Amino acid sequence: QKEVEQNSGPLSVPEGAIASLNCTYSDRGSQSFFWYRQYSGKSPELIMFIYSNGDKEDGRFTAQLNKASQYVSLLIRDSQPSDSATYLCAVISRETSYDKVIFGPGTSLSVIP
Amino acid sequence: DAGVTQSPTHLIKTRGQHVTLRCSPISGHKSVSWYQQVLGQGPQFIFQYYEKEERGRGNFPDRFSARQFPNYSSELNVNALLLGDSALYLCASSRQGLGEKLFFGSGTQLSVL
Repeated sequence: QKEVEQNSGPLSVPEGAIASLNCTYSDRGSQSFFWYRQYSGKSPELIMFIYSNGDKEDGRFTAQLNKASQYVSLLIRDSQPSDSATYLCAVISRETSYDKVIFGPGTSLSVIP
Repeated sequence: DAGVTQSPTHLIKTRGQHVTLRCSPISGHKSVSWYQQVLGQGPQFIFQYYEKEERGRGNFPDRFSARQFPNYSSELNVNALLLGDSALYLCASSRQGLGEKLFFGSGTQLSVL
């Protein structure tokens, strides 16, 4: 059973701090990795995607991927109260003839003003 | 452009009944995927359809089925409902498949009594 795990929350950080969200996956053949944000009562929305080892930055967000360690992370710099949400890690896993997407359980982030 | 639309928004059924959920993708998107999200957990992948063909299936029983129509809209059908089927059902669309940005609808909240 292919799995995606995330650091258990809830995670609380003060406004302006760096929030670090972590995700590990079991399928070594996974190629595509996504971070979605889900506000309470709303649908997930994409924040970042990363395909290659290393860092990818977009504004206050940085995604980091280490395929050897089967680890992907999301850093949020200068955290704002509006960043308070659940963050979902999603991994594309290849089955015999098709892809499937596996979401982690999510990490709840609370940014304290 | 309109986003992904799902209907109905809420639904109450009793055990043993059948339910049909509907999804209209963003114009130009040919891939539709379905997810079940239980409160406090990440979305669980049910099906993906592309160009009216099933391209992926998650670990759900045969009571769950889906199809995609020529206009790329999709239906998810669940037979012989169980209490454990109570969840938020999300539909997502993308241009071609799972390995790209998914655009989620607002979901259908299904309650099975």
